[in-house]
Amino acid sequence: DAGVIQSPRHEVTEMGQEVTLRCKPISGHDYLFWYRQTMMRGLELLIYFNNNVPIDDSGMPEDRFSAKMPNASFSTLKIQPSEPRDSAVYFCASTTRDRGDTGELFFGEGSRLTVL
Amino acid sequence: AQSVTQLGSHVSVSEGALVLLRCNYSSSVPPYLFWYVQYPNQGLQLLLKYTTGATLVKGINGFEAEFKKSETSFHLTKPSAHMSDAAEYFCAVDSGNTPLVFGKGTRLSVIA
Repeated sequence: DAGVIQSPRHEVTEMGQEVTLRCKPISGHDYLFWYRQTMMRGLELLIYFNNNVPIDDSGMPEDRFSAKMPNASFSTLKIQPSEPRDSAVYFCASTTRDRGDTGELFFGEGSRLTVL
Repeated sequence: AQSVTQLGSHVSVSEGALVLLRCNYSSSVPPYLFWYVQYPNQGLQLLLKYTTGATLVKGINGFEAEFKKSETSFHLTKPSAHMSDAAEYFCAVDSGNTPLVFGKGTRLSVIA
């Protein structure tokens, strides 16, 4: 079974540019999470979806960040315009709570973003 | 509200020595507890989990953890550290209604 797939793995861009990160969750999972990891702040939950609907976006740092999940197999995290302080590793994770599953999260390999 | 506290942001052990990474949690209901490991430049992967039943849980790579309700702890141990165990370890709690709550992580260094 394929795991959570993220793209791109690495992105280097200049301040002010738009950045789009992509995620394909594990088939059958109905929860999808976006996390950001930095040395200073550790692992932060940005937003999560259930059945493609955003449930909690209180972790999204500001209006420059937006996330969508148009269908069960695809989600995007967009930063527009990007700033150097957005440099981080962004992780996508998915899970399901059906059939008594314990809600274990499955993480992608991450997208390392560098904003110059 | 649930929370996780990992004592020590950095732990250093000698190769072959005991590994002990501490995790305490708070939860208003019986929790599910998890340990994740993150190797450099990789995502987090599940090391082990406690849901119900036996309180001593065995995971991959020789790690185990014991759920102690009276102490609200879920410490991670390994009898003999290996160089390949060097990584960041995250404890997490799930009380059923919200996303996993992660601790801040403990970086394990193994000295030859």
